[in-house]
Amino acid sequence: RKEVEQDPGPFNVPEGATVAFNCTYSNSASQSFFWYRQDCRKEPKLLMSVYSSGNEDGRFTAQLNRASQYISLLIRDSKLSDSATYLCVVNPRYSGGYQKVTFGIGTKLQVIP
Amino acid sequence: DTAVSQTPKYLVTQMGNDKSIKCEQNLGHDTMYWYKQDSKKFLKIMFSYNNKELIINETVPNRFSPKSPDKAHLNLHINSLELGDSAVYFCASSQQGAHEQYFGPGTRLTVT
Repeated sequence: RKEVEQDPGPFNVPEGATVAFNCTYSNSASQSFFWYRQDCRKEPKLLMSVYSSGNEDGRFTAQLNRASQYISLLIRDSKLSDSATYLCVVNPRYSGGYQKVTFGIGTKLQVIP
Repeated sequence: DTAVSQTPKYLVTQMGNDKSIKCEQNLGHDTMYWYKQDSKKFLKIMFSYNNKELIINETVPNRFSPKSPDKAHLNLHINSLELGDSAVYFCASSQQGAHEQYFGPGTRLTVT
């Protein structure tokens, strides 16, 4: 089983729709979780961290389910500018105090007019 | 005001050649990384340096050799390039213990 798994999509949704992505991870000792966004032919950029209690940033909501080992990202009122690939990032190990992250393959979102 | 920069942005070369990619960050971070993103868009960590010390070295052919002359720079040298090395290579930096990584714009390497 891969350390981090995502449905690569693409998810094609109309403007204004609500869309949700899930990401599962295999290492139950994972400590930190993030969503990054990558536009076509660009570098990944942090979208938001995922906290145990869930967190919201505007139209974006991230949640963590440790029991089932997955994180989710919900986007409400989708905009054309939300079209991108959303990368799930999990920190499965934390050896020696140094950060090591594992990226999922990403879920491609295409918002259509 | 570039935070993480890489040169070159594009690199086209023939099999068997040796090439280098340079990375610099002006964020004052103490940890830097090299990632490879292949044609399937999978982003995989290759190396990580903290204060010029190698701390992560994933299963990467020894044709790849990172070098960190100081904590603001992390270069990647590749010997005897192969077709399978074609990919986008991203440099990133972060503060140790912090979670947000800042990525450079990427170097698109094509080996012919």
